[in-house]
Amino acid sequence: AQSVTQPDIHITVSEGASLELRCNYSYGATPYLFWYVQSPGQGLQLLLKYFSGDTLVQGIKGFEAEFKRSQSSFNLRKPSVHWSDAAEYFCAVGPRDDKIIFGKGTRLHILP
Amino acid sequence: DTAVSQTPKYLVTQMGNDKSIKCEQNLGHDTMYWYKQDSKKFLKIMFSYNNKELIINETVPNRFSPKSPDKAHLNLHINSLELGDSAVYFCASSQRPREPYFGPGTRLTVT
Repeated sequence: AQSVTQPDIHITVSEGASLELRCNYSYGATPYLFWYVQSPGQGLQLLLKYFSGDTLVQGIKGFEAEFKRSQSSFNLRKPSVHWSDAAEYFCAVGPRDDKIIFGKGTRLHILP
Repeated sequence: DTAVSQTPKYLVTQMGNDKSIKCEQNLGHDTMYWYKQDSKKFLKIMFSYNNKELIINETVPNRFSPKSPDKAHLNLHINSLELGDSAVYFCASSQRPREPYFGPGTRLTVT
């Protein structure tokens, strides 16, 4: 069965510091992989996606993610975070039986 | 222009009532979804329609009934509301099997 694990429930970083959010997946074939961001009281916005090809994917708002098949990981990175990046981040994998499965999310806190 | 819209944004109602949430997408996508997000932010798919045909029906109480009058609309009707139904309900659409685009959510509070 497909699954997504985001090991960190909360992460706190200082403004201007670099960020890495972890995502591990279980999937029987080459997956489609996604990162979404949810600001408080808002819907989910797609940051980036991986379908095939280059394993380093660039997204919006200065985010990037790297697909590592050998580690079953798709970690999200940003070189320098801004206070406005404080939000909930979701990794997702699919599709299997038309379903895209979401991880439980990582809450990012930014220290001024 | 709003890509995926939902109404209402907030819904407060009493146990036992029946309520509906409406969703519309103007992206021309062929697939629409309902997701439920609980108080711990866990996001779980409930239903999916592809070209008005139900293709995903997760283990959801049959008090929940989706209806898709056309491929741009997917409504969710909930009968006999219970306290445990309180959550945020997200509609989404995609061009199958690609990434879903989400609406702003409907926060349902059952008292």
